[in-house]
Amino acid sequence: AQSVTQLDSQVPVFEEAPVELRCNYSSSVSVYLFWYVQYPNQGLQLLLKYLSGSTLVKGINGFEAEFNKSQTSFHLRKPSVHISDTAEYFCAGRGSNDYKLSFGAGTTVTVRA
Amino acid sequence: ETGVTQSPTHLIKTRGQQVTLRCSSQSGHNTVSWYQQALGQGPQFIFQYYREEENGRGNFPPRFSGLQFPNYSSELNVNALELDDSALYLCASSSQGGSEAFFGQGTRLTVV
Repeated sequence: AQSVTQLDSQVPVFEEAPVELRCNYSSSVSVYLFWYVQYPNQGLQLLLKYLSGSTLVKGINGFEAEFNKSQTSFHLRKPSVHISDTAEYFCAGRGSNDYKLSFGAGTTVTVRA
Repeated sequence: ETGVTQSPTHLIKTRGQQVTLRCSSQSGHNTVSWYQQALGQGPQFIFQYYREEENGRGNFPPRFSGLQFPNYSSELNVNALELDDSALYLCASSSQGGSEAFFGQGTRLTVV
């Protein structure tokens, strides 16, 4: 079964600084990977997804992630954050033939002026 | 195109009671999944419904049950509520074979 580990529980960052959120996955089969954002008291919004093909994936709001098969990682990056990026971020994955998403525990990003 | 909608947004129940949560899937989606998100944790898969049948289940006891209707909307029922059932319950819809799940805003359940 697919499992996902987010390596950072909290990431404080200053406005306009870059941020990287780390995610590792474990799977011996073809895997789909996702990053979701959750704002307070809201559901999950998809930022980006990796299904196959190019290992560099671009998403909404200036986020991007790189799929690294040798390191089994899917880290999320943004070159310059805004106050509005303060939220909880979840990495998730599933096997290409699987029906359920496995989520990491989440990373809380707090952007300070 | 309407997104995934859940109702109610919040509710409070007493331990031992039963609760029903509702989800309307996104237009064109025939698969609905339910997740439980406890405070400070990532969502955990409860089960999935496709064509009105349970299509897969996570590690949840039988007192968690569900239904899917012909219009693909879905219900999550929880019997004999326990304090640990307090959580945000998320519904996600997708098309069968589709890669992406779209989530609703969730229902915040508090058991006292």
